[in-house]
Amino acid sequence: GQNIDQPTEMTATEGAIVQINCTYQTSGFNGLFWYQQHAGEAPTFLSYNVLDGLEEKGRFSSFLSRSKGYSYLLLKELQMKDSASYLCAVKTGGFKTIFGAGTRLFVKA
Amino acid sequence: EPEVTQTPSHQVTQMGQEVILRCVPISNHLYFYWYRQILGQKVEFLVSFYNNEISEKSEIFDDQFSVERPDGSNFTLKIRSTKLEDSAMYFCASSEPQDAYNSPLHFGNGTRLTVT
Repeated sequence: GQNIDQPTEMTATEGAIVQINCTYQTSGFNGLFWYQQHAGEAPTFLSYNVLDGLEEKGRFSSFLSRSKGYSYLLLKELQMKDSASYLCAVKTGGFKTIFGAGTRLFVKA
Repeated sequence: EPEVTQTPSHQVTQMGQEVILRCVPISNHLYFYWYRQILGQKVEFLVSFYNNEISEKSEIFDDQFSVERPDGSNFTLKIRSTKLEDSAMYFCASSEPQDAYNSPLHFGNGTRLTVT
């Protein structure tokens, strides 16, 4: 079966660092994506990993371990506007990308 | 920046009616997708479309659903005989032509479908 697990909710303080974990079991793997989704809006692309290791992009970094079926998204210098859902998604063999249920992040002052 | 556009933003229909959701993907993209998100739930894959044919579809995408690219710019999702459980946000997405495997999805703003 296909399974992507991530925590339902997290809370962090403005200016802090937060790590959102994701574990996956999928039939086929062509890369892992992180998307941000504000309430009532469409998901927007944040990062992509296909090889093991860390990808850094400004305040956002994403890590992948294919052997462990594990990824995390690291957000630094949190801002209030970072309050959103963060979706872990895996591109399986072919054209399909499947999504986890998302982690709702609350950033408090 | 080019974007995916969807119309209408909100559609209300009665159970049993047919609806057509419309999308204009980014112009140089070749891979097109429909996803749906029931309120409070995860984004679910429905179908992918490439080279004028369905390339992959999920179990959700049964005979009730169909997709079409009627001209060079539009991409439509038709839902026949709508049911209450079809109420959801429907997102259209497209991805770039080169190396479809690592190209991210570019989503439209969605059509909120309400079936009464």
